[in-house]
Formats: sequence, structure tokens, C-alpha cells
Amino acid sequence: GESVGLHLPTLSVQEGDNSIINCAYSNSASDYFIWYKQESGKGPQFIIDIRSNMDKRQGQRVTVLLNKTVKHLSLQIAATQPGDSAVYFCAEPDSGGGADGLTFGKGTHLIIQP
Amino acid sequence: GAGVSQSPRYKVAKRGQDVALRCDPISGHVSLFWYQQALGQGPEFLTYFQNEAQLDKSGLPSDRFFAERPEGSVSTLKIQRTQQEDSAVYLCASSLAYNEQFFGPGTRLTVL
Repeated sequence: GESVGLHLPTLSVQEGDNSIINCAYSNSASDYFIWYKQESGKGPQFIIDIRSNMDKRQGQRVTVLLNKTVKHLSLQIAATQPGDSAVYFCAEPDSGGGADGLTFGKGTHLIIQP
Repeated sequence: GAGVSQSPRYKVAKRGQDVALRCDPISGHVSLFWYQQALGQGPEFLTYFQNEAQLDKSGLPSDRFFAERPEGSVSTLKIQRTQQEDSAVYLCASSLAYNEQFFGPGTRLTVL
């Protein structure tokens, strides 16, 4: 079955540096991916999404890259700030659309060092 | 506030007790989702409603889990005869038909 997973459970970066969080997926038919940020004690918060007809999408300080050849996507956070400390999940809809449940990866804990 | 709210935020139950978890979605959101998040894991889908209709309950782990949304707004997730493995954070999310899901803060359930 399809799965969404992450390479590293914890990523530690210096404040001001760029962060890159990776995610692999197994279903080549997957066509929509979402990145969520989850702070301690809170629910996941939408960051950015990307459809499979795109290779790159940029938001405010964040960029998502999608490599369909190797079934890999990454989230890049520029000039990391203390408020970026959280667990980051990649996710995809179960049905490939948007109104069904999401399948989440296990998450990467981003730690910001002063 | 205008976000998704859940109550209670924390619930401690003795094994074998029944619990009920409430979700108040964002007003006007058609779709409502329940997820279970074990410690150190990503959320796992439990069930999905479109208005009052439960369209997908494939993620419910056993028949002890039951969800309802009788008027298409507030939803309740009920767990009967709780077991220790039910300990987790239960997240609720709502969305317009095909838009992003907005999550509530979750209910942390601890079964002793």
C-alpha cells in the first residue's frame, strides 16, 4: 500500500541557517502533497502544498520541491527562526483528492539552536 | 475564536470506561475528520463526515470506536470499554469540500 515517511526523526540547525526536511513516498500515482507543522500541544498547521504537475512551489520563507522520478519531496525553510521549532509532517490524501483523510509520515522534529 | 475547538483537552479514564470526545468545527465547514495520534507518530485517519453523513470509517480500529455528527456540525467520537492502547491524542479537523484541513488542538486521552 501507499506510505509516506521521513528520512530523519530529528534535525538540529543554527538560528538563521536554512533547514531542509525530506520525505519519501511510495505510490507513484500520488498527485498531491501537503506539509504540516505541529507545535507542542497543538494540532497540525498547514504550511504549503504542491501538486504533481509542479516541481517547486514557494511560500513565505518556505519552498517545497517535488522529485517524481525518485518519489521524494522536501521542505526548505529559509533563515530558520526559533518559532520554526516544531515537528514537520508530509502528508497526502488517501484518495488523491482533497476531501478524504490524509496519510501522514512519522514527522521530523526541527530543533533550533541559538 | 474562529478555529476548530475540541473538548475536553485532557481526559484520564480507567480501563473499561466509556469516553466521549467533542469537536466543534469551523462554522460552515462541510467536511469533518477524526485522527488518532500516538506519541511520537504522525496522525492516523479514523473517520470522515460530509455534513451529517459518515462517508468513510475505514480507519476506526475496532467496533468500540463510534463517531457521529447528527446535525452536520458538532461531532462526537465515542470510545467504549477503553483499553490502554487507546491512549493517544485525538485530533479533529474540518474543511470546505476540497480545501485544506484545519486542525483543532486535540484531546489527550490517557487510559490507566
